[in-house]
Amino acid sequence: EVQLVESGGGLVQPGGSLRLSCAASGFTFSTYWMSWVRQTPGKGLEWVASIKRDESEKYYVDSVKGRFTISRDNAKNSLYLHMNTLRAEDTAVYYCVREGGYSYEIWGQGTMVTVSS
Amino acid sequence: QSVLTQPPSVSAAPGQKVTISCSGSSSNIGSNYVAWYQQLPGTAPKLLIYENNKRPSGIPDRFSGSKSGTSATLGITGLQIGDEADYYCGTWDSGLSAGVFGGGTKLTVL
Repeated sequence: EVQLVESGGGLVQPGGSLRLSCAASGFTFSTYWMSWVRQTPGKGLEWVASIKRDESEKYYVDSVKGRFTISRDNAKNSLYLHMNTLRAEDTAVYYCVREGGYSYEIWGQGTMVTVSS
Repeated sequence: QSVLTQPPSVSAAPGQKVTISCSGSSSNIGSNYVAWYQQLPGTAPKLLIYENNKRPSGIPDRFSGSKSGTSATLGITGLQIGDEADYYCGTWDSGLSAGVFGGGTKLTVL
């Protein structure tokens, strides 16, 4: 069964850091682009970042450039999102997503990140 | 504001048909494939339509997608109570080098 399981969310103070992880299973992780998409409670979806199969290309939404870093470990079938200098507006559910067919094909269950003092 | 524009809400009776529009520009919908996602209450989004009009395995043919120029449309026929959800369109924006979504449309089946 194809599965994505996020972890690492929690409560962090403004200016703090957090690392999200996503464990992939049931497919050949190294052959897919992967992304993070977030959703503020009660609001819509926002694409955050994407990474190519071999990490040679990475893309970020403007609001997180310079603060967030997407990475992956194909040997461990894992995707990461390193988040620094967190702001209140980064509070959201963060979804790990597998890309395919020019779309976000498979979604994890999400992990909640709350930035508050 | 979202890069892609969707109506905030639509409604229709069970058994009826509804369409949800998604408007963009030449740098996103006009030059890239469109996908649609369904988010049932309290769950993660699920891919409904990809490459403008293709359905993943397991998605019933009551759901359809189309694209014309810088706009796309999701159609749902034979509405069921279980179709009540938020629906999002999404694509890549070549000018921004970023993924973009619509603001979402809440479907109510009356």
